[in-house]
Amino acid sequence: DTAVSQTPKYLVTQMGNDKSIKCEQNLGHDTMYWYKQDSKKFLKIMFSYNNKELIINETVPNRFSPKSPDKAHLNLHINSLELGDSAVYFCASRSYNSPLHFGNGTRLTVT
Amino acid sequence: QQQVKQSPQSLIVQKGGISIINCAYENTAFDYFPWYQQFPGKGPALLIAIRPDVSEKKEGRFTISFNKSAKQFSLHIMDSQPGDSATYFCAASLGANNLFFGTGTRLTVIP
Repeated sequence: DTAVSQTPKYLVTQMGNDKSIKCEQNLGHDTMYWYKQDSKKFLKIMFSYNNKELIINETVPNRFSPKSPDKAHLNLHINSLELGDSAVYFCASRSYNSPLHFGNGTRLTVT
Repeated sequence: QQQVKQSPQSLIVQKGGISIINCAYENTAFDYFPWYQQFPGKGPALLIAIRPDVSEKKEGRFTISFNKSAKQFSLHIMDSQPGDSATYFCAASLGANNLFFGTGTRLTVIP
């Protein structure tokens, strides 16, 4: 009964590959997010998705694309993976006047 | 531009001592100030939060002190325990908009 679940937990892949990370929330929240946490633990927002409105952090490369099949899901697709993409990616969700709930992260390693 | 500045980067405290982590923000329109706790291999989880209409909020051993005029807020952990060892993030947001996170503080409580 995890509130925000993401898969896989670990992802190891080679440079140039395309990969996806899935996220599902069962909290009924209307906004979902993707965050990137680098090796120094800094949390950087990548995307927020609310009622089919996508807000993109302008610093995120266009190789990253979120896709939301419905309100409870926000998947992250990454094309042409690079070494610098190695990080932990967190999915999160929130509604107005509710706290932000995070998943347990996907550790992506690009070799 | 870092919207929320956090210090110190790391903190070592003896068991039973007081842990203090400080944050400062820029945007005076921010109206929600949460603290998140993150254990290794897990996503950040909400610890305690405050709104700017109060100067202090206490939940068990955890207290937020808020100084609106100075644009600063801090987390105090009383009677620190080894189980409190984690990374702590302050954050700030306006309404239901995106949370801006501080850079994190790694707390180690020595038995």
